[in-house]
Amino acid sequence: GESVGLHLPTLSVQEGDNSIINCAYSNSASDYFIWYKQESGKGPQFIIDIRSNMDKRQGQRVTVLLNKTVKHLSLQIAATQPGDSAVYFCAENYAGGTSYGKLTFGQGTILTVHP
Amino acid sequence: NAGVMQNPRHLVRRRGQEARLRCSPMKGHSHVYWYRQLPEEGLKFMVYLQKENIIDESGMPKERFSAEFPKEGPSILRIQQVVRGDSAAYFCASSPRENNEQYFGPGTRLTVT
Repeated sequence: GESVGLHLPTLSVQEGDNSIINCAYSNSASDYFIWYKQESGKGPQFIIDIRSNMDKRQGQRVTVLLNKTVKHLSLQIAATQPGDSAVYFCAENYAGGTSYGKLTFGQGTILTVHP
Repeated sequence: NAGVMQNPRHLVRRRGQEARLRCSPMKGHSHVYWYRQLPEEGLKFMVYLQKENIIDESGMPKERFSAEFPKEGPSILRIQQVVRGDSAAYFCASSPRENNEQYFGPGTRLTVT
């Protein structure tokens, strides 16, 4: 069935390094993608989003890249800090199905930043 | 502007009891979504509501689960006759428009004993 998945379940980096978290999606009709950060015991926190008419979007220290040809999404975090340690989820949305309301989440990548 | 509010944060129920989870969306948001998260898994969509209407309940179990978003007051996710498999974190999200970023609450952690 349609799904969003992550290539790497865990990622460990040193403070100050750049981090790249990857996500593969299978639904070519998906037209909206979001990255969330979830810390232990908390709800997902919106990081950045991108629509399918774009291939790159930048925020503060974060960049999302979208490659529709290979159905790949990535989140780049510059100068990673210990406070970035969390689980990162990608999520997709598309116009098919019953509504636009349903986000489909990937499994998640655990990012650990070592001081 | 307060974020999405959920209560209770933790809820313990014995098998067979009812669980009621409440969600107040962000101010100005009329779209509410409920998701369930099992340990070490991603979030799974359950239901999408607008005021007084269920738009998409394709992720809701057919029995024992119901949701509402009345004209006044919070959205309610109700689980009747809870079983141990219902133990999970339940998250509510809201957005100002459909197909827009969804902002999540802190979740309700339901434990069924």
